[in-house]
This record gives sequence, C-alpha cells and structure tokens, in this order.
Amino acid sequence: QVQLQESGPGLVKPSETLSLTCIVSGGSISGHYWSWVRQPPGKGLEWIGYIHYSGTTNYSPSLRSRLTFSADTSKNQFSLRLSSATAADTAVYFCARLRADDIFTFYHYMDVWGKGASVTVSS
Amino acid sequence: DIVMTQSPLSLPVTPGEPASISCRSSQSLLHSSGYFYLDWYLQKPGRSPQILIYLGSYRASGVPDRFSGSGSGTDFTLKISRVEAEDVGVYYCMQTLQSRTFGQGTKVEIK
Repeated sequence: QVQLQESGPGLVKPSETLSLTCIVSGGSISGHYWSWVRQPPGKGLEWIGYIHYSGTTNYSPSLRSRLTFSADTSKNQFSLRLSSATAADTAVYFCARLRADDIFTFYHYMDVWGKGASVTVSS
Repeated sequence: DIVMTQSPLSLPVTPGEPASISCRSSQSLLHSSGYFYLDWYLQKPGRSPQILIYLGSYRASGVPDRFSGSGSGTDFTLKISRVEAEDVGVYYCMQTLQSRTFGQGTKVEIK
C-alpha cells in the first residue's frame, strides 16, 4: 500500500528556509493531491496546504507569503519550502495524501499520512 | 477565515459508555453540492492522524461503526456509541469549505 516518508533537516536557523520532502512509495503521486500539516510541540494540528501532482497549489492564507510547494513525478516525491523561518515554525511536519472519495469524487480527504518529521528552528 | 471551536477540550470516558464531541464553525459549512464540508480525524498517542468521518457524516473505509458524525450548518457532533480503550487520543474536526482549518482538538482518555 502507499507509504509516505518525510525527510529533511531537523534543525534550521532562524531566517533561513525550512525544506522538507515527502517520498511516496507503493504508489504514484500522479493523479492525486498531496498535503502538508504541522503540529507545534504539545499543540494541535495546523493545515499548511496542498499540491496536485500537476503543480497546482493551495496554500494556507497565514503561510502563503512564505510557502512554496513542488512535485517531482520522476522521483515520486513532493516538497515544501518555508522561507524566513522563525521559532514559531518549530513543529512536526506531516505529509498526507488527499484521496478522492470513490462515491463523492468531488471530495478529498487525507487518508494516508507519513509518520512526521520534527523540525526545530533555532540558532 | 473559518474558525473551528471544539468542546469539551478534555473528555474522560468509561469503556462501554457513549461519548460525544461537539464542533462549531464560525460560518455554515454547507457547500453548493448540498453536503457539509467537515471531516473528523483521530490522532492516537504517538501516531499520525487518521481519517474517521468526511462530509460530516460518512465513515471512512475501515472505521468501526461505533463512530458516527452528524450535524448541519455550523454545529456538528462526533459520537462514539461504546468507547473502547483503543479510542483514546485527540479528536480534531476540520472544515474544508474555505481552505482548511482544524479545531483545537479534544483529548479523550479513559477514566
């Protein structure tokens, strides 16, 4: 079955760019939307945005100005870049597949998740 | 932005007993399709979130039928008919009508 694995530096300096990649195995990124969600230590979930394998993106309004998503079908992976990182960006970052429902094909929900990657923003 | 408010934030439960979590949105989640754009997720301790309910009341594949979702407009409820020990964790509602926004989460634990 499809599995997702987040990878990237666990430590980022303030003002630098936080970069993460989600490697997809057991299935193709083609034909799907892929999302990012983060969770600050001890806090709740925050939706970051999603990308379609074709490159169409939708970003959280609060992060839009600093976010860039990309997808690489040849490597079967997608990536997140968050510029001007601050301590407030310290979190576990999850990637997830947005699956279209079999019956309600217009609707997508996050059905497969990675285990999460912990990122700390600190000097 | 649509704000999601869950209650209670903490819910001690007794195995075998029912449990209920409320989720309110700052504006109606009714889509032009006629469906309510609301999901429920469960994050078990130390695990990634998992989908339970989508479109307000539809159980995702593999979700036990003791879980049910209901509601309309701005008020939604997740019910567990008979709580089992494996149901502990944090439950989140999430609106998908405008961008996506999670509620604060409700921590369910065994009494």
